[in-house]
Amino acid sequence: GEDVEQSLFLSVREGDSSVINCTYTDSSSTYLYWYKQEPGAGLQLLTYIFSNMDMKQDQRLTVLLNKKDKHLSLRIADTQTGDSAIYFCADTPLSNTGKLIFGQGTTLQVKP
Amino acid sequence: DGGITQSPKYLFRKEGQNVTLSCEQNLNHDAMYWYRQDPGQGLRLIYYSQIVNDFQKGDIAEGYSVSREKKESFPLTVTSAQKNPTAFYLCASSMGQSDEQFFGPGTRLTVL
Repeated sequence: GEDVEQSLFLSVREGDSSVINCTYTDSSSTYLYWYKQEPGAGLQLLTYIFSNMDMKQDQRLTVLLNKKDKHLSLRIADTQTGDSAIYFCADTPLSNTGKLIFGQGTTLQVKP
Repeated sequence: DGGITQSPKYLFRKEGQNVTLSCEQNLNHDAMYWYRQDPGQGLRLIYYSQIVNDFQKGDIAEGYSVSREKKESFPLTVTSAQKNPTAFYLCASSMGQSDEQFFGPGTRLTVL
């Protein structure tokens, strides 16, 4: 079936850039999303990219999509301690009638 | 102030008891979802509803039940048949099934 994979942990220093990676298996995806989850809270939508785009920039966030390799990345510039959280990518394959499929989440640790 | 509310935030239950988790939204969304989150894992879909008076099983529906009598409300009952109910439960809603999902703050259920 459809699958979304992420690495589980990333540690960076404050001020560095963070790059969180995600791979997906279904080529019929429409939108791909990035969500952020702070401890004990629900998920907050950070950004999304439509499947016919290669890149989207939104302030400190840059999303890159490589459709050929089915690879999605989220780059956070000038990472701050407040960016420490779990980041989930989510896919919307048409073969799953458009329902979101989430990756396992990447825990981002930002060291001062 | 539009959004999704879940109550209670923390819930304790004795083994063998049923318990109902509340989810309410005032975003006028048609679709609503229940997810379960366990440590180190992504979100797993329990049930979803595309419209009032209709709902479908997700990937892990066994031991759970839902109802959708009103557009705004999608309560989840964790029954005594659910073998391992201790988890963080998240409710979400979206305009349509492929649209971005908005999440509530979650309910942490602990079975004693």
